[in-house]
Amino acid sequence: QSALTQPRSVSGSPGQSVTISCTGTSSDVGGYNYVSWYQQYPGKAPKLMIYDVTKRPSGVPDRFSGSKSDNTASLTISGLQAEDEADYYCCSYEGNYRNYVFGTGTKVTVL
Amino acid sequence: EVQLVESGGGLVQPGGSLRLPCVVSGFTFSTYWMTWVRQAPGKGLEWVAKINQDGSEKYYVDSVKGRFTISRGNAENSLYLQMNSLRAEDTAVYYCARYARSSYYMDVWGKGTTVTVSS
Repeated sequence: QSALTQPRSVSGSPGQSVTISCTGTSSDVGGYNYVSWYQQYPGKAPKLMIYDVTKRPSGVPDRFSGSKSDNTASLTISGLQAEDEADYYCCSYEGNYRNYVFGTGTKVTVL
Repeated sequence: EVQLVESGGGLVQPGGSLRLPCVVSGFTFSTYWMTWVRQAPGKGLEWVAKINQDGSEKYYVDSVKGRFTISRGNAENSLYLQMNSLRAEDTAVYYCARYARSSYYMDVWGKGTTVTVSS
């Protein structure tokens, strides 16, 4: 039950696009289309941004999108805005133990 | 409005126990899976445990198995986490969260309660 691997940080200028990767195994990310992404501001609770790899909850801007290839899922933020500066975590269902595993987290910085 | 409110956090000595309640409102609690997620200071999120609608299915992360127990009281609209044999590494903010219906993601989160294990 090891954490999924994410880059520690990514950055971009306003209006640019950034992509965060989330690498797991065939028992979690690669085995199921149950990857979700959460945004977290310092001292606040996480907020759901993407679920089931590509789906966006109502109220989440369409500049947030998700995808997956083999054992790696990705979150892309297009048209980066200042309010997107936060920590982002992926999460996947893990079938061997019927558990869940989070990613290591990525800090997004808007330059 | 859907709300989840955790409480019960505090300072506890290593080896001690603590029970965290999470009181929910604004939805039919008895029809949802629920979960606890924690975050150590300056660290990432860690999934801790989940429980099904009637409490008959429970799953835990390896690091808390045998020490923590997740439970629920549907009549009281409450989720619980009983934490025994606490260790310094259990120090964290503990969040309760709801799984969306028939799904594998957490759609609503509480604000969290802080547990500090220290002598």
